[in-house]
Amino acid sequence: TQLLEQSPQFLSIQEGENLTVYCNSSSVFSSLQWYRQEPGEGPVLLVTVVTGGEVKKLKRLTFQFGDARKDSSLHITAAQPGDTGLYLCAGEGDTDKLIFGTGTRLQVFP
Amino acid sequence: DAGITQSPRHKVTETGTPVTLRCHQTENHRYMYWYRQDPGHGLRLIHYSYGVKDTDKGEVSDGYSVSRSKTEDFLLTLESATSSQTSVYFCAISEWSGRRTDTQYFGPGTRLTVL
Repeated sequence: TQLLEQSPQFLSIQEGENLTVYCNSSSVFSSLQWYRQEPGEGPVLLVTVVTGGEVKKLKRLTFQFGDARKDSSLHITAAQPGDTGLYLCAGEGDTDKLIFGTGTRLQVFP
Repeated sequence: DAGITQSPRHKVTETGTPVTLRCHQTENHRYMYWYRQDPGHGLRLIHYSYGVKDTDKGEVSDGYSVSRSKTEDFLLTLESATSSQTSVYFCAISEWSGRRTDTQYFGPGTRLTVL
């Protein structure tokens, strides 16, 4: 069974701080996606990374796919209250279906 | 925003009763999915459909059945609800599957409580 573990599970920070969320597995994934979910809504795709070592930037968010395609990280620079939400990584598994990580709940206080 | 609606949005039911959740899309996407979301587990796939009347099981399919008689509708049925099925259920759609850059679009969710 392919699993994706995210850390930390919860993160509470002040506006302006930097943070990193990790998504780790012992399995190799052909691609990995990051979603953000706000309360009462479904997840929304932020980015897809497909090449080992790939780095993508989305404004203040930087996503990296590990060289071995077993892990990924999301770094947020100068966090804002609008970044608050649940962040989910998801990897394309052996059956071509998405396997979701356990989630990181981020709270950014003004 | 992708046109996906779920109904009902909230439901409280009793153990042993049948429950049907509906997902409706206006995007004409081929693939539809049902997930459940529980704290500490992220999203887990229950069932999915790759076309009308074509469905398959996900990782947590026990106690659930699905049907897809039209492209736009995907129904999830709990034949006899149990308290362990209390969860938030999300429907998702995608145009294709198996493509590494495929995007899934999610509905707003249904919060189900089984007493």
